[in-house]
Order: sequence, then C-alpha cells, then structure tokens
Amino acid sequence: EDKVVQSPLSLVVHEGDTVTLNCSYEVTNFRSLLWYKQEKKAPTFLFMLTSSGIEKKSGRLSSILDKKELFSILNITATQTGDSAVYLCAKGGSEKLVFGKGTKLTVNP
Amino acid sequence: DGGITQSPKYLFRKEGQNVTLSCEQNLNHDAMYWYRQDPGQGLRLIYYSQIVNDFQKGDIAEGYSVSREKKESFPLTVTSAQKNPTAFYLCASSIHREDYGYTFGSGTRLTVV
Repeated sequence: EDKVVQSPLSLVVHEGDTVTLNCSYEVTNFRSLLWYKQEKKAPTFLFMLTSSGIEKKSGRLSSILDKKELFSILNITATQTGDSAVYLCAKGGSEKLVFGKGTKLTVNP
Repeated sequence: DGGITQSPKYLFRKEGQNVTLSCEQNLNHDAMYWYRQDPGQGLRLIYYSQIVNDFQKGDIAEGYSVSREKKESFPLTVTSAQKNPTAFYLCASSIHREDYGYTFGSGTRLTVV
C-alpha cells in the first residue's frame, strides 16, 4: 500500500512559537515530496522536494527531505494566527499524488 | 486569469439521487483528478485522467463515475450506489506529471439528506 503518514495530526501553539510538522512515506515509485497549506477550501502549494538534504525556504517556512530515512519536515518559525490551517504532505511518483491525512495547526494569539 | 473552477460550491441532494459536480480548467493541463476529503481522512483519490477519453480508478471509485470528453472538463457523478456521499470534493489538475504539483479548485461541499 502506498502510504504517507503525517504527525502530529493536530497541534495547538501560541503565536511566536516554532513548530515542526512531520511526514514519512514509502519509497515505492518516489519522485517528489510536496507540501500544501489548506485554510478553508483549495490547498495551496508550498514546496516541492526532490533532493535529499537541500532546504527550501519561503519566509518563515522551510522544508527538507531525507531520502535515506524516507521523511520530510516542515518548519514554521515565529508562528502567526494566519498560519492556522491544515498542512498536507503528498508523495509524487505513481501517476498521482498520494496524500497524508494532514496536520491541523491552530495558532492562538 | 488561468485557473480551475468547481461548481457549485454547495450542493444538497436527497438520498438516492445522482448528482454531477463540475470541474473546468483553462490551464491547458493534461491531467485532472478528483479527490474526496472527509474530516480526519486527508484527501482520497476517486478518479484521475491523464488524457482526453481516458481515465483510471483511484482508491475509492465505487459509487462514482467520470468522463473526459474535453481537455478542459472532468465532471464527477456521484451515483446512488455511493453509500456515504456527504463530503467535500476537490478537483485538481497538473501539467504532464503529478509530481510537478497540482492546482486545486475551491471544492464542492455535497450534503445528502
């Protein structure tokens, strides 16, 4: 079975905290690992990772892939209430993206 | 502006009725996908299509049907055979290959009463 497992499933923090979201995947047919943010409706693209050890950054968000250990992390520093969302991890490589269940992040003021 | 449009945003249907959800894209993307999202379940693939007049079943295709007569359009029919159709449905498209990432529509929330 083609699995993507995210942890934690739910996380509540205070503004200003740093959070780390985890995503592990199975190696079969792997080509890429993608992160999306879903606030209300349509998920929006954050990062695509294909190479191990190379960090991708966008403002306070960063992500890295470890192809040996088959996982990726998404870091958010100095969290803001606008970061509250469901963060989805997806694996690409078998004609379709396989998504994890998501991590629901709540940032309280 | 290019994008992917799902309609309607909200849909209510009586049990036993078929219903069709619309998905249209003007991005010239080859591949289109339908996902279902339930609370705590993430996105589960229903059907996908990589070229016109061809589509494949995803992980939860039972009770659903699709067509791909035009590159721009990939409608999803939720039939009366789908036992638990109330959910949030997302359509997505991608250029050539899925691992370049998807563009998502805004979704249709279907409620069956």
